[in-house]
Amino acid sequence: SYELTQPPSVSVSPGQTASITCSGDKLGDKYVCWYQQKPGQSPVMVMYQDKKRPSGIPERFSGSNSGNTATLTISGTQAMDEADYYCQTWDSSSYVFGTGTKVTVL
Amino acid sequence: QVQLQESGPGLVKPSETLSLTCNVSGGSISTDYWNWIRQPPGKGLEWIAYIYHSGRTKYNPSLKSRVTISLDTSKNQFSLKLTSVTAADTAMYYCARDDSGGKSGNWYFDLWGRGTQVTVSS
Repeated sequence: SYELTQPPSVSVSPGQTASITCSGDKLGDKYVCWYQQKPGQSPVMVMYQDKKRPSGIPERFSGSNSGNTATLTISGTQAMDEADYYCQTWDSSSYVFGTGTKVTVL
Repeated sequence: QVQLQESGPGLVKPSETLSLTCNVSGGSISTDYWNWIRQPPGKGLEWIAYIYHSGRTKYNPSLKSRVTISLDTSKNQFSLKLTSVTAADTAMYYCARDDSGGKSGNWYFDLWGRGTQVTVSS
């Protein structure tokens, strides 16, 4: 089955840039979306079709996908961005989630 | 504004069947793809199944033998049954909508319920 691998954790200082990677075989050939999940809450989609932001998602969130790696970038990270982030794609008629990354804003 | 609300027993005994329902309010269930997703405590997300408004279904291969998803358009809700549960099925269960369903190659969950915690224990 298809696997998506993310780093378990990323630390960032307020105002700096956080980059979260998601790796999978030929991932660049697929569309990737990203979800943000804060403690005790449901996931919220923050990016779809690699680099499109849903309505209401701040411009500091951006995305890219090429080769074997997709990246979610948070520019000017704020304390409210501290959360778990999951990438997701579609393969062999199944939704596939990444392993998840905890972003800590120090 | 469409909202999803999961319901079902919070405690299920081992070897029994877990049954959950997702009520869709503010919109019709007769469009889009409707999904179940779960998250064990402290762990990541796992997609379980979807049902399309036509009744077409798709299951996670790892759970397929134990899962049934169904739709009740008269009640605007869809349901999940998971048989022969074990402690490994203890998780937060979410229902979610995919309003893209493969359009332009996009498959994603644009709307989620708040989730319902299910514990498998005797």
